[in-house]
Amino acid sequence: GAGVSQSPSNKVTEKGKDVELRCDPISGHTALYWYRQRLGQGLEFLIYFQGNSAPDKSGLPSDRFSAERTGESVSTLTIQRTQQEDSAVYLCASSAGLRANNEQFFGPGTRLTVL
Amino acid sequence: AQSVTQPDIHITVSEGASLELRCNYSYGATPYLFWYVQSPGQGLQLLLKYFSGDTLVQGIKGFEAEFKRSQSSFNLRKPSVHWSDAAEYFCAVVLYNTDKLIFGTGTRLQVFP
Repeated sequence: GAGVSQSPSNKVTEKGKDVELRCDPISGHTALYWYRQRLGQGLEFLIYFQGNSAPDKSGLPSDRFSAERTGESVSTLTIQRTQQEDSAVYLCASSAGLRANNEQFFGPGTRLTVL
Repeated sequence: AQSVTQPDIHITVSEGASLELRCNYSYGATPYLFWYVQSPGQGLQLLLKYFSGDTLVQGIKGFEAEFKRSQSSFNLRKPSVHWSDAAEYFCAVVLYNTDKLIFGTGTRLQVFP
């Protein structure tokens, strides 16, 4: 595949609903990262995976947020009982490995709007 | 507190003018340093990175950045800006013993013809 893909590109939901965001990393990339970008702010680290293991979940804002990854492939970020403050662009990135010298390649993001 | 600071929220320059975007970090040790660009409707793209060695690093699209340890800075520069450089620019760091990119809040660059 060409690059990191994310779906949907846009999601509008009502407060209290659950949403699932999907990320397809570059084939062969073992590391996968989720970030959140609120309007006018920088990127906020949420979670990363090495394979299907998530060693660091410290960035998840609350227990309404969870993520999983199937092998070294697709990952889903789930937000339960969405709140208006969850509105943001959710970005996914993948890299060939976890170490900092492995460049992270970013997807185009999913814009989530909670009404 | 450990942080990455980009003091300029918005910068406007004329096409052909020189550009410098500021980035300061606050960490006990020298982190790995990055600059990313986010163009409208596109994902983030890595412009350049610094790990060690020569403190002046060259990147893509004619950008360069200089690491200054004494000032805890990693400012991005370009001698002559093109209209296509209009975008949002993010400075980021990774501490050498972690795997997380920590981003600044970004600088939005506007280029006038």
